Amino acid sequence: ETGVTQTPRHLVMGMTNKKSLKCEQHLGHNAMYWYKQSAKKPLELMFVYNFKEQTENNSVPSRFSPECPNSSHLFLHLHTLQPEDSALYLCASSQDLKLREAFFGQGTRLTVV
Amino acid sequence: AQKVTQAQTEISVVEKEDVTLDCVYETRDTTYYLFWYKQPPSGELVFLIRRNSFDEQNEISGRYSWNFQKSTSSFNFTITASQVVDSAVYFCALSEATGNQFYFGTGTSLTVIP
Repeated sequence: ETGVTQTPRHLVMGMTNKKSLKCEQHLGHNAMYWYKQSAKKPLELMFVYNFKEQTENNSVPSRFSPECPNSSHLFLHLHTLQPEDSALYLCASSQDLKLREAFFGQGTRLTVV
Repeated sequence: AQKVTQAQTEISVVEKEDVTLDCVYETRDTTYYLFWYKQPPSGELVFLIRRNSFDEQNEISGRYSWNFQKSTSSFNFTITASQVVDSAVYFCALSEATGNQFYFGTGTSLTVIP
């Protein structure tokens, strides 16, 4: 138990569906992140939130829409995804944006069919 | 250019053997942090260690040890007397004083054979 919980653990969705990934952290951290992990590739940073404000969007397509209602919760809303979006989506949190270790959730394994 | 390089894609060792995972990084910052994470089959990334750029002292934690050498921009990770439970993918990562993200390597998949 890392203190970062992601739901669901597995998700299969069609290209026309709309779904959301949820991340919750109980560590009192101020920064939260979404990462995408595809096979044979480095982890790709998608979004960064600090004190609920988005500070980074790494050229992520608009079919991925993040939401951070408070410092403890982070969502990733998905719509009209493509099969190449199938990957492990990892949420992480850290005390602050810099020089701190990040704690990761177990990820959501997403398959787009 | 990739900031963190893990040249070893896959390694297999027999239980009780020692194994070293290599990590080479690239940065122009004088202040930075290096990390190692373990990703077991369950998926989450487990934090193992953080070192700052001003501390080159090697660290040992049980069967794990880390060798940080600024002269070669390397931060290698050694597991002594490997066990089956060490089987996982290991990621090296870099965080610079400027910017606000971690740069991860592509990971090394370690398999420990009983």
